[in-house]
Amino acid sequence: DVKVTQSSRYLVKRTGEKVFLECVQDMDHENMFWYRQDPGLGLRLIYFSYDVKMKEKGDIPEGYSVSREKKERFSLILESASTNQTSMYLCASSFGTGFSYQPQHFGDGTRLSIL
Amino acid sequence: GEDVEQSLFLSVREGDSSVINCTYTDSSSTYLYWYKQEPGAGLQLLTYIFSNMDMKQDQRLTVLLNKKDKHLSLRIADTQTGDSAIYFCAESRPGSSNTGKLIFGQGTTLQVKP
Repeated sequence: DVKVTQSSRYLVKRTGEKVFLECVQDMDHENMFWYRQDPGLGLRLIYFSYDVKMKEKGDIPEGYSVSREKKERFSLILESASTNQTSMYLCASSFGTGFSYQPQHFGDGTRLSIL
Repeated sequence: GEDVEQSLFLSVREGDSSVINCTYTDSSSTYLYWYKQEPGAGLQLLTYIFSNMDMKQDQRLTVLLNKKDKHLSLRIADTQTGDSAIYFCAESRPGSSNTGKLIFGQGTTLQVKP
């Protein structure tokens, strides 16, 4: 079974702090994704990566950056946390190029509160 | 339009069938997926259907695909209280195989009353 592990289930940080959310997958997947989920807004894609050191902006990248130094690990960085970044953050991974069947496999999520 | 659309809420009684509907956008999408999200958890892949199929059954789950109308549905037979969750449909659009991007609907909250 695919395992996607997010480093924290719950996190509380202060406005202006630099925040790191970590995600690790164990299936040698090429693609990794970061989403945020807010009530009434569904899932919104922040950033994704299709290879080591490669990244692309999703729909709402402002205020975020990412890092993919190793294939299994994808980090989301809030450069200077703000209260409007309080949300549930979900990481996912999937197979890469050449696979038409590419379901995304999700971690359990990190509920981040910015005070 | 660009969005995958789902109704936001469905309430059923335990033992009844539930039907969750989804309208997707690209008739040449290859795979369509259904995910389940229980409270406080991530999304769990429930089932999927390939675009050359019109029906797929997996125990209590039946997926129906109408390509002409770009309509996807998930039927849950004999719905149980443990089925209470948010259900997301997602489509894989052509040209996205090099990135693996999926387009998700907003999710349908299924409430099962005892």
